[in-house]
Amino acid sequence: DADVTQTPRNRITKTGKRIMLECSQTKGHDRMYWYRQDPGLGLRLIYYSFDVKDINKGEISDGYSVSRQAQAKFSLSLESAIPNQTALYFCATSDLSNTGELFFGEGSRLTVL
Amino acid sequence: GQQVMQIPQYQHVQEGEDFTTYCNSSTTLSNIQWYKQRPGGHPVFLIQLVKSGEVKKQKRLTFQFGEAKKNSSLHITATQTTDVGTYFCADHSGSARQLTFGSGTQLTVLP
Repeated sequence: DADVTQTPRNRITKTGKRIMLECSQTKGHDRMYWYRQDPGLGLRLIYYSFDVKDINKGEISDGYSVSRQAQAKFSLSLESAIPNQTALYFCATSDLSNTGELFFGEGSRLTVL
Repeated sequence: GQQVMQIPQYQHVQEGEDFTTYCNSSTTLSNIQWYKQRPGGHPVFLIQLVKSGEVKKQKRLTFQFGEAKKNSSLHITATQTTDVGTYFCADHSGSARQLTFGSGTQLTVLP
């Protein structure tokens, strides 16, 4: 089983709908992140959390919200989806090791019509 | 905020040829990480470079950090079809709490 699990893996929705992407991890890491990937733009940080009580905006947080329900769970919400939020979304975790490397989930592909 | 420019955006090579991708910054980088994303997959950590002038090797992959810590490169010797994917650099300098990714280099290896 994957250490970082994202659901759903694929979702098609309509403009104006509320969407939640969920992420859970079994790595025991405190730090969790949501990134968005668009062709040619790399990975852009939406929100990150260093523990249950710590939520921080990233580079492109407008139109998104998050909830850190537990150390192992970090969900991303689009309150009213719009077509330019069509993208591939990745959840990631990291710990306080020397490298601080990110461990990514498999990704959630969202299409907003 | 801190920006890392990565070039080229795309690279097609014949199997057996070498490949290099570059990351450049106008400001000093604290440390730099490299990730590989296979087609349809998720990014996977390859390595982190911290020291000025550092060179690290992983089999056919050579990673370098510039002397001024403003650039980094990933070189693959004698590419194989298994090297196909997008390579990203990522920088910790903008904030100790988050990584900023370059736009990636998509490598295609023609058999």
